[in-house]
Amino acid sequence: DADVTQTPRNRITKTGKRIMLECSQTKGHDRMYWYRQDPGLGLQLIYYSFDVKDINKGEISDGYSVSRQAQAKFSLSLESAIPNQTALYFCATSDLRGGRHEQFFGPGTRLTVL
Amino acid sequence: GESVGLHLPTLSVQEGDNSIINCAYSNSASDYFIWYKQESGKGPQFIIDIRSNMDKRQGQRVTVLLNKTVKHLSLQIAATQPGDSAVYFCAENYAGGTSYGKLTFGQGTILTVHP
Repeated sequence: DADVTQTPRNRITKTGKRIMLECSQTKGHDRMYWYRQDPGLGLQLIYYSFDVKDINKGEISDGYSVSRQAQAKFSLSLESAIPNQTALYFCATSDLRGGRHEQFFGPGTRLTVL
Repeated sequence: GESVGLHLPTLSVQEGDNSIINCAYSNSASDYFIWYKQESGKGPQFIIDIRSNMDKRQGQRVTVLLNKTVKHLSLQIAATQPGDSAVYFCAENYAGGTSYGKLTFGQGTILTVHP
């Protein structure tokens, strides 16, 4: 049961190309997040959204943009991909029911920029 | 250019031993903490959480300890099994301002369990 899904799972692209990574969730959560993970490093927050009309920059938003098309969908775009954006990308969701901040992660998208 | 990755802390244990993974968090105003497990090729998975008004919380084979005085969090895994081999991350939630509900993740620790 994949509550948080990401497409594509793997993508190889060339420098300068526009790339969109998509995330969908069936958990009914208001909050969605995009993270980047590089080898040997933890998770870095790119953008997050607390509801459909809310978009916030994270730690490393430069070179990325997002769109929250609906409560269940949150897409991440690289307008002009560069090799330094080669990484593993994770989408996550959460809500504040019960005062908990647990985030539920998708399976990840492995992006390679040549 | 070439990126230089940091070397994650590592912990190697024998199957059946107890494991202790440590984490120093950054913000004394953080009110909620989570431990995540990430297996190779997968997204992080929730293990256990603890609120700042608690010092200890136990789950199945896992215990989280919180020391607010020194801003330190630990995860204890009892009778460690090969399936526990993974990267473990701590995360904190800062209780204030517009960042409430946004987790900040630690660097992670690689746990390797030898049969």
